[in-house]
Amino acid sequence: GENVEQHPSTLSVQEGDSAVIKCTYSDSASNYFPWYKQELGKRPQLIIDIRSNVGEKKDQRIAVTLNKTAKHFSLHITETQPEDSAVYFCAANPATGANSKLTFGKGITLSVRP
Amino acid sequence: GAGVSQSPRYKVAKRGQDVALRCDPISGHVSLFWYQQALGQGPEFLTYFQNEAQLDKSGLPSDRFFAERPEGSVSTLKIQRTQQEDSAVYLCASSLGIAGSTDTQYFGPGTRLTVL
Repeated sequence: GENVEQHPSTLSVQEGDSAVIKCTYSDSASNYFPWYKQELGKRPQLIIDIRSNVGEKKDQRIAVTLNKTAKHFSLHITETQPEDSAVYFCAANPATGANSKLTFGKGITLSVRP
Repeated sequence: GAGVSQSPRYKVAKRGQDVALRCDPISGHVSLFWYQQALGQGPEFLTYFQNEAQLDKSGLPSDRFFAERPEGSVSTLKIQRTQQEDSAVYLCASSLGIAGSTDTQYFGPGTRLTVL
């Protein structure tokens, strides 16, 4: 089945700096890659996603890049702010088609130092 | 509009008790998923419904876990004879269910289950 790995497990940056979080996946048939942000005690919230027919997607300070050959995708956050501090999960769908379940990584704790 | 809601938000059970967790998906969403999130881990898939049909239950850890969605809307996850290893946050997610692509899954706030 699909295996999704995230690294590093924790990341600390200074406010205003950029943060990059990387994920790898194992199933070459996967075609949907969302990123979720989860604050302590809260629900996971989608912040950006990418499908396999594009290599990059950007939404204001957040961007995601996908390398299908290497089977990895990365989350880029620019001009980090203290409110960006949270756990970030990447995920992939282990099968194509409608409404596939998601396989999540273990999460990365991002700390933005003011 | 209203998002996915779950109840109760917190549940404490004694080992051996049965529990029932409820999920109200976003209105009109065809697909509904249950995930289990252990402390410090990512969500792990339990089961999936398309309308009232349970199409995938491959993630249910044992036959003590049972889920239903009888009218294709509200879903209940039931755990019988709870064990300490069942302690986790149980997350429900729903998506539109448009054929041909994987839709965005919207998560509820979860139910934190603690088994003593």
